[in-house]
Amino acid sequence: DGGITQSPKYLFRKEGQNVTLSCEQNLNHDAMYWYRQDPGQGLRLIYYSQIVNDFQKGDIAEGYSVSREKKESFPLTVTSAQKNPTAFYLCASSDRGPTRPQHFGDGTRLSIL
Amino acid sequence: KQEVTQIPAALSVPEGENLVLNCSFTDSAIYNLQWFRQDPGKGLTSLLLIQSSQREQTSGRLNASLDKSSGRSTLYIAASQPGDSATYLCAGGGDGGTSYGKLTFGQGTILTVHP
Repeated sequence: DGGITQSPKYLFRKEGQNVTLSCEQNLNHDAMYWYRQDPGQGLRLIYYSQIVNDFQKGDIAEGYSVSREKKESFPLTVTSAQKNPTAFYLCASSDRGPTRPQHFGDGTRLSIL
Repeated sequence: KQEVTQIPAALSVPEGENLVLNCSFTDSAIYNLQWFRQDPGKGLTSLLLIQSSQREQTSGRLNASLDKSSGRSTLYIAASQPGDSATYLCAGGGDGGTSYGKLTFGQGTILTVHP
């Protein structure tokens, strides 16, 4: 089955620790995205990548970093500089072009110990 | 900067009722308008995508319209069923005419359809 796999489903971070969230897709999509969702809120864009080895900041990139070394993978690192990391993180991918909808993974829920 | 608002925040209807969810956006320079469904604790499922040149899209019992001049989109659900219960999110693609991939989301409408 084609789709987007996010892991782990639940993640706990200690103070001062960096953690990395995994996102893998086998849809052969060029573009990939990371969003953050807080309770009762819509999604906010953290980073996005339209092509391998290139990515751009979204609206709330501070305290986060990404890499795009392979077409199918777009890991997100939540650094210790992100002071309020507790949230639901969603990864998405799409073909390039304004007519292509984004497809989402099932998310990773990050909490602080 | 694009802002997207959804009304109402929550809606409860009896099974079989037709209903309308509303979405408004501040910047008409969007590439597309997308509607998604989210079940509790899950990711989003794409329902409909309306390109900026289109007025509406239909899929089964769902119909979405787009009026760029007024900055509004509506999602019409016909003959609602308990399985339609979920959070519905709209998102405008493109921010100020740049990058169609940048989606700006509304806060969502929580829909409950009771038997």
